[in-house]
Amino acid sequence: AQKITQTQPGMFVQEKEAVTLDCTYDTSDQSYGLFWYKQPSSGEMIFLIYQGSYDEQNATEGRYSLNFQKARKSANLVISASQLGDSAMYFCAMREGPQAGTALIFGKGTTLSVSS
Amino acid sequence: GAVVSQHPSRVICKSGTSVKIECRSLDFQATTMFWYRQFPKQSLMLMATSNEGSKATYEQGVEKDKFLINHASLTLSTLTVTSAHPEDSSFYICSARDRGGVNQPQHFGDGTRLSIL
Repeated sequence: AQKITQTQPGMFVQEKEAVTLDCTYDTSDQSYGLFWYKQPSSGEMIFLIYQGSYDEQNATEGRYSLNFQKARKSANLVISASQLGDSAMYFCAMREGPQAGTALIFGKGTTLSVSS
Repeated sequence: GAVVSQHPSRVICKSGTSVKIECRSLDFQATTMFWYRQFPKQSLMLMATSNEGSKATYEQGVEKDKFLINHASLTLSTLTVTSAHPEDSSFYICSARDRGGVNQPQHFGDGTRLSIL
C-alpha cells in the first residue's frame, strides 16, 4: 500500500483563486511529520510547510496552509491567492517515527498550473 | 538558512563512464544524507541513506555496487554511478537534515541531471 497518496495528477487554477491539493497518508506510527515541497521545472525542491502529528493547530506559512485532519489521515495543502509563479509540481511527504534522521517518503505529486 | 550544494548540476557522458556526484551541507553538519532518484514527471524515490563514518543503507532493488556512496565527513556525501548505462539516465537529488527538532525539514540540493549516451 502506498504511504502517501496524491490523487490529483494535475490541477488548474486561475490567478488570485485559492486551490487545494490533496494528500492522504498511511502510517501506524503515532509520531510522524508531514511536509509539502514545491518543485519547479528547474528541479530544485523548495520546502513549503510542515505539520507534526502532535500539532493541534493547522500549520500556516504565508499563502500556504495545511488542512490537517488526523482521523482521516489527510494533510491537504491550501494555496490562497494563486500566482503565476506557483505553477510547479507539488509533493506531499511523510517522515515516519520520532527520529528526525529518517528519510522522507514522497507521494507521486500534483502538477499545478496557474493561468492569468 | 541551511543550504545544500550539489555538484555537478548536469552531466552528459558516454556509456561505461563512472560519474561522481557531490552533496555538501554548507552551513551545518549532517550525520545523515539521503539520495533520491527521480524520473521525469514522477516522484522522488529513495535510493539510499548515507551515514557519516559508516556504510550506507540501500533501499530494496538498488544495486550497492552500481551506486557507490561515501560519506567521509559531516558535510560531504558522494554518489558514484559506476559504469553508467543509458538506463541510469535520471535526475539524482540529495538531501540533508540540520540537527535540531524533529520539525526541521530536509534541505535538498538542486539535483543532478545525468544523461548517458
